[in-house]
Amino acid sequence: QVQLQESGPGLVKPSQTLSLTCTVSGGSISTGSYSWTWIRQPAGKGLEWIGHIYITGSTNYNPSLKSRVTLSIDTSKNQFSLKLSSVTAADTAVYYCARETPSGYFYMDVWGKGTTVIVSS
Amino acid sequence: DIQLTQSPSSLSASVGDRVTITCQASQDITNYLNWYQQKPGKAPKLLIYDASNLETGVPSRFSGSGSGTHFTFTISSLQPEDIATYYCQQYHLPRTFGQGTKLEIK
Repeated sequence: QVQLQESGPGLVKPSQTLSLTCTVSGGSISTGSYSWTWIRQPAGKGLEWIGHIYITGSTNYNPSLKSRVTLSIDTSKNQFSLKLSSVTAADTAVYYCARETPSGYFYMDVWGKGTTVIVSS
Repeated sequence: DIQLTQSPSSLSASVGDRVTITCQASQDITNYLNWYQQKPGKAPKLLIYDASNLETGVPSRFSGSGSGTHFTFTISSLQPEDIATYYCQQYHLPRTFGQGTKLEIK
């Protein structure tokens, strides 16, 4: 079955750009009409949807982060990526990637284990 | 953005108890609501989609109901392994989550 794995630096300096990649295994990222999603969770807090991307490259972002977020997808590598610019301590969180089902019912049925990103100098 | 308000924020119950969590949406979301379970240090896990549909492999003691702005999540007989935080999530854009309900064993 499909599995997701986040990767990227665990420590980012303030004002720099956070970059994470999610690698899809056990299936092709291009199969079906899934959207590929990023969610984050500050320690001890709730879940925040960052945005998602389709294999067409079409994206939707959380308006609260839209000016700083860029999602991309690389079907040849079976990966999708998150870039978050101008980070501050408020961006410290566990970042999850997830797969959201295609049209009809929209739910996130496959999740990565999450990766912790700390923003600190 | 659509806001989801869960209640209670935390809950203590005994094994075998019936547990109910509610999720109130700030506007009509028809049945565009999912429920997730998150155990400490783990990723969320889908339990219920589209308000009342049980995800494959999820025990039948979990159920969901509701439509419009008021939704309910129920565990019919609490088991020790159900200790977790539960989140509702709506799937209009942008997707949003409730603040979570932390469930503990009494």
